[in-house]
Amino acid sequence: GAVVSQHPSWVICKSGTSVKIECRSLDFQATTMFWYRQFPKQSLMLMATSNEGSKATYEQGVEKDKFLINHASLTLSTLTVTSAHPEDSSFYICSAGTQGTLNSPLHFGNGTRLTVT
Amino acid sequence: AQTVTQSQPEMSVQEAETVTLSCTYDTSESDYYLFWYKQPPSRQMILVIRQEAYKQQNATENRFSVNFQKAAKSFSLKISDSQLGDAAMYFCAYRQLGSGGSNYKLTFGKGTLLTVNP
Repeated sequence: GAVVSQHPSWVICKSGTSVKIECRSLDFQATTMFWYRQFPKQSLMLMATSNEGSKATYEQGVEKDKFLINHASLTLSTLTVTSAHPEDSSFYICSAGTQGTLNSPLHFGNGTRLTVT
Repeated sequence: AQTVTQSQPEMSVQEAETVTLSCTYDTSESDYYLFWYKQPPSRQMILVIRQEAYKQQNATENRFSVNFQKAAKSFSLKISDSQLGDAAMYFCAYRQLGSGGSNYKLTFGKGTLLTVNP
């Protein structure tokens, strides 16, 4: 089945630094990728939708200058948390799908646990 | 905007018994998709079952089945013969129909934590 690889699985960074999270579709072309954030024991909150070759669409309340999303190819989207602060510590999950697929998106990455110290 | 409500933050079931998780949603659309996802402690999101709103027949996947009541906007998940491996957080999710990248986004409920007792 389709696989979405997310890397790294966990990362610790110092406050003020930036960290990049990658989401790759390994065996299919992902025209659309979604980035979610999940706090402990809470649901997944959509941060943004990225379409290959175009700018990402951010959900209300999500700072686009802080959470930079790039979807430069059909197999790779990246989320960069810039000038990270402790309140950015969370679990980030990507999801990928192919436009036109009836049940897209179905494929999630394994998530990235970000800890900002 | 669409909303998904899961009114049971936690549920428990005895192994081999049956449990039903509730989900209601709000939408003005007539066609859409509904999903149940499972998130075990590993936090990997696993698709359990999906339902197309235009299908009247309830979806089933082995021990998992849904009770889809479109008029009531209800979409409950029934797990039969519960197993220890079913213990996880379960999320109900909604997706609208239509082309275009943003239309594929999922709106999740807050989740129900299922405990399976041996």
